[in-house]
Amino acid sequence: AQTVTQSQPEMSVQEAETVTLSCTYDTSESDYYLFWYKQPPSRQMILVIRQEAYKQQNATENRFSVNFQKAAKSFSLKISDSQLGDAAMYFCAYIKNAGNMLTFGGGTRLMVKP
Amino acid sequence: DAGVTQSPTHLIKTRGQQVTLRCSPKSGHDTVSWYQQALGQGPQFIFQYYEEEERQRGNFPDRFSGHQFPNYSSELNVNALLLGDSALYLCASSLRSRVKTQYFGPGTRLLVL
Repeated sequence: AQTVTQSQPEMSVQEAETVTLSCTYDTSESDYYLFWYKQPPSRQMILVIRQEAYKQQNATENRFSVNFQKAAKSFSLKISDSQLGDAAMYFCAYIKNAGNMLTFGGGTRLMVKP
Repeated sequence: DAGVTQSPTHLIKTRGQQVTLRCSPKSGHDTVSWYQQALGQGPQFIFQYYEEEERQRGNFPDRFSGHQFPNYSSELNVNALLLGDSALYLCASSLRSRVKTQYFGPGTRLLVL
């Protein structure tokens, strides 16, 4: 069974600074997808960024980028120029190409200090 | 472009009762997945519907059942409610041809007393 681990229950960053959230996963599959979702207090899960395992290039979406290390099964999220609106729970998620089920990590609560 | 919608937003039930939650997928999407998120945890997959059939099921008992309608909307039914069923229930929609990217609704908060 696939597992996703987020080892940082909470992280804090100063506004305008950069923060990196960690995620590791365990799978025997070679073809899969990884995601970062943001869940603010409004509780709606918002897709932040997506990475296909077959792509070597790290995905980037504006201030959000990932460091995908396939051999190490590591998928970290870097948030640059942090904003107050970035404060939320962040979840790392995995899905195998042949499956339908997202497997989530336990989440990291990000606090942004003004 | 309407996103995923869910109703109701909040619900309070007592043990042993039955509940029905509803989800309308994002415009153009044909696949609906349901997740249960307990407080302080990541979501857990319940099941996925496509073409009005359950395609995959997570580790949830038969008390949890679902349905998908011809317009792609979906219902989640939970029978014989337990206190442990109290959670946020999230619906996610996707396009079968791009099923790997799922978009979530705002969720329904269920409290079982």
